[in-house]
Amino acid sequence: GQQVMQIPQYQHVQEGEDFTTYCNSSTTLSNIQWYKQRPGGHPVFLIQLVKSGEVKKQKRLTFQFGEAKKNSSLHITATQTTDVGTYFCAGLMDSNYQLIWGAGTKLIIKP
Amino acid sequence: ETGVTQTPRHLVMGMTNKKSLKCEQHLGHNAMYWYKQSAKKPLELMFVYNFKEQTENNSVPSRFSPECPNSSHLFLHLHTLQPEDSALYLCASSPLVAGYTDTQYFGPGTRLTVL
Repeated sequence: GQQVMQIPQYQHVQEGEDFTTYCNSSTTLSNIQWYKQRPGGHPVFLIQLVKSGEVKKQKRLTFQFGEAKKNSSLHITATQTTDVGTYFCAGLMDSNYQLIWGAGTKLIIKP
Repeated sequence: ETGVTQTPRHLVMGMTNKKSLKCEQHLGHNAMYWYKQSAKKPLELMFVYNFKEQTENNSVPSRFSPECPNSSHLFLHLHTLQPEDSALYLCASSPLVAGYTDTQYFGPGTRLTVL
């Protein structure tokens, strides 16, 4: 079936270090969306990428969509404690409006 | 954020109980979803309703029964659950407007524990 693989499952960083999570789809995506879930919270929409090769920035967050529209990444520069949480990608398939979710990457800031 | 509300926020039930989860969206959206989120697993889509019609049932056991009386309300009726059904149940809605790539708005979830 259609899958979106997301790695790594966890990433431990020191505050101030960078963080990256990657998503790869088995099929071409119409778009890819990124969500953040804080501990104890619910997923909150961050951004959507639609075009092949698209790059979008939100302050310290950089989102990329691959040329083949099968992979995407989220990079956070100089992490802060407010960045803690789980980051999910979700790919929209061509056939319907349903999202196929990645398993999430949990960002943990080392004390 | 109060666009999507869920009640109750926490629920503990025995395996023989019957309970219902409620979701309400105040965003004027046309699609609503139930997800199950267990520890160390991806979000699992359970049910999808578009314009009050169920369009997806991802092989969910019959002990979970959804109901969508109108485009603003969604229920999940629970009956004879198993301990492995303990999880966070998330409701979401999306606009579902033709030509618009849907973004999902989540409620806070119901933390369900089955004893």
